[in-house]
Amino acid sequence: GEEVAQTPKHLVRGEGQKAKLYCAPIKGHSYVFWYQQVLKNEFKFLISFQNENVFDETGMPKERFSAKCLPNSPCSLEIQATKLEDSAVYFCASSQSNGRTDTQYFGPGTRLTVL
Amino acid sequence: AQSVAQPEDQVNVAEGNPLTVKCTYSVSGNPYLFWYVQYPNRGLQFLLKYITGDNLVKGSYGFEAEFNKSQTSFHLKKPSALVSDSALYFCAVRDDTGGFKTIFGAGTRLFVKA
Repeated sequence: GEEVAQTPKHLVRGEGQKAKLYCAPIKGHSYVFWYQQVLKNEFKFLISFQNENVFDETGMPKERFSAKCLPNSPCSLEIQATKLEDSAVYFCASSQSNGRTDTQYFGPGTRLTVL
Repeated sequence: AQSVAQPEDQVNVAEGNPLTVKCTYSVSGNPYLFWYVQYPNRGLQFLLKYITGDNLVKGSYGFEAEFNKSQTSFHLKKPSALVSDSALYFCAVRDDTGGFKTIFGAGTRLFVKA
């Protein structure tokens, strides 16, 4: 498709429950990025993929967060045992390649609320 | 490390007036700079980017940005604001480490009054 698609739009979880978010990149884009937008609009980079391979995971809180991009499937971001501070909007972005000049196109986001 | 700063939390402008949303940057090499806009409950939309070449970059929806190397600035501009331009604007720079993630400013909320 021509747009990055993210599902679901909203997700509500009780503290300690699992949350799984999905992202379908723009067709033909090889790179996928996940960002977390928290209070005061701050963006935090989480992880990036080149096709199904992790490219940069320096932003991932590894003890509870995991992500995958498998062939012919949407990419996913999973949070085990959610905490209140995981409440945020999670954005996925894709780009054709990973040069510094390539534009990253963003999806509409998934708003996760942890109660 | 790369960074961008947006000194204004909010900018107010009357419809029809020119608007400027400010951004300054700090980079260790060549700057690759971007502007995105976020409408309520929607994702980020790409407006424009500066890679090299002309200092005045033209983008979507009538927006343009002026790259100024001596002042390390990349201000977003529009000659005549519309009420529908009211949104949250983010300046961004591409990280120069291996992952090339995007580093965002804190955002500036633009209010355009009719």
